[in-house]
Amino acid sequence: QVQLQESGPGLVKPSDTLSLTCSVSGGSLSGFYWSWVRQSPVKGLEWIGFVHSKGRTNYNPSLRSRLILSVDSSKNEISLRLSSVTAADTAVYFCARPTVLTIFGVIEKYFIDVWGRGTLVTVSS
Amino acid sequence: VLTQSPATLSASPGETVTLSCRSDLHLGSDLAWYQQKPGQAPRLVIHSAATRATGVPTRFSGSGSGTDFSLTITSLQSDDFAIYYCQQYKKWPPITFGQGTRLEIK
Repeated sequence: QVQLQESGPGLVKPSDTLSLTCSVSGGSLSGFYWSWVRQSPVKGLEWIGFVHSKGRTNYNPSLRSRLILSVDSSKNEISLRLSSVTAADTAVYFCARPTVLTIFGVIEKYFIDVWGRGTLVTVSS
Repeated sequence: VLTQSPATLSASPGETVTLSCRSDLHLGSDLAWYQQKPGQAPRLVIHSAATRATGVPTRFSGSGSGTDFSLTITSLQSDDFAIYYCQQYKKWPPITFGQGTRLEIK
């Protein structure tokens, strides 16, 4: 049973870069899509984006200019970097592994059946 | 945009409830439902509008297509009281979620 564990600083200053890591245990990164979702009282559940083990990415347009998702197969980790953060980025950040069905390379189904426990990130000076 | 209703639903154990999720775009059957309890991550309940996820009890059922979807829970048990979210994967990016329906004990 694959398990996901998020880690990173719980407090980030405004205008700084938020960096989170998701450690994957009980399975390999290879061949899977990996996703981040965040949740705040104001915005609810918000999809951040995904990264495939081979490097393909897709980001939420609202975050695209500030976001980098990456994989490190040697460490079995996924990383999130979000730059120029503001208080609006305060949220619980979840690492997740969606089930993705592709047909001729086009994603036809995308739902999340494996989630990490989440980590709270507060943006404040 | 996914609009869930009602925002809060009060019910008693043993009752049957139906939660609604409406989309402003045609989604076909590309909709999932999640259950979330306090302090926990969401849990997949239904995908493809009507397919129960692995391990989900048969008292949970999903229906609908296009723009109107429902999640029905029969014979409510105490473990079912939680917040339920719908999520679409037809028109993306971004993948989007509804704002949730809180199912509380009456």
